[in-house]
Amino acid sequence: QQQVKQSPQSLIVQKGGISIINCAYENTAFDYFPWYQQFPGKGPALLIAIRPDVSEKKEGRFTISFNKSAKQFSLHIMDSQPGDSATYFCAAFSGAGSYQLTFGKGTKLSVIP
Amino acid sequence: ETGVTQSPTHLIKTRGQQVTLRCSSQSGHNTVSWYQQALGQGPQFIFQYYREEENGRGNFPPRFSGLQFPNYSSELNVNALELDDSALYLCASSLGAGGQTDTQYFGPGTRLTVL
Repeated sequence: QQQVKQSPQSLIVQKGGISIINCAYENTAFDYFPWYQQFPGKGPALLIAIRPDVSEKKEGRFTISFNKSAKQFSLHIMDSQPGDSATYFCAAFSGAGSYQLTFGKGTKLSVIP
Repeated sequence: ETGVTQSPTHLIKTRGQQVTLRCSSQSGHNTVSWYQQALGQGPQFIFQYYREEENGRGNFPPRFSGLQFPNYSSELNVNALELDDSALYLCASSLGAGGQTDTQYFGPGTRLTVL
């Protein structure tokens, strides 16, 4: 059962453009939503994260938008660069019971010059 | 680099065998989590250890087991390997007890192939 749905599966954006990745969840016990970036041959690395009581968080070129009522959140990458080409995962954290991260299936982003 | 290392990098086993994967956490990190990442999928949580005790487990059968040692190393053991166990296995360490803001630092993973 996939608890965090991520789209699109792949994304091609021109250099300087905006990359947008969307995620949706069902479990209302989720209380923290991080995004991870993974390059080939490497493990995922935390990029940015948001709590559900905040509607937007910005760090440099990366912004998370969060819609609690719709149970949706998205990652926006402004001024996308070729170095941003990687796989991006949204995730949701639940502290209820056991601490665990639930990941989406990932979005492979390619930024072309 | 995250300071989290894993060994071996690649491993090939046959169905029914047993395997042990190793992880070395960042010094001082009390929590280690293990994930299975199938090809083209996101990581799936296997279990988490805090100060050598299992304090969380995902939807994986008991043939997946683990150990955490006082020297910040840990092991993932998988018995009776099945073809579907072929995946990248990631460990992640964090400083605290594994709470929501406790950043997890991932290692590069061990690629396990089961034939």
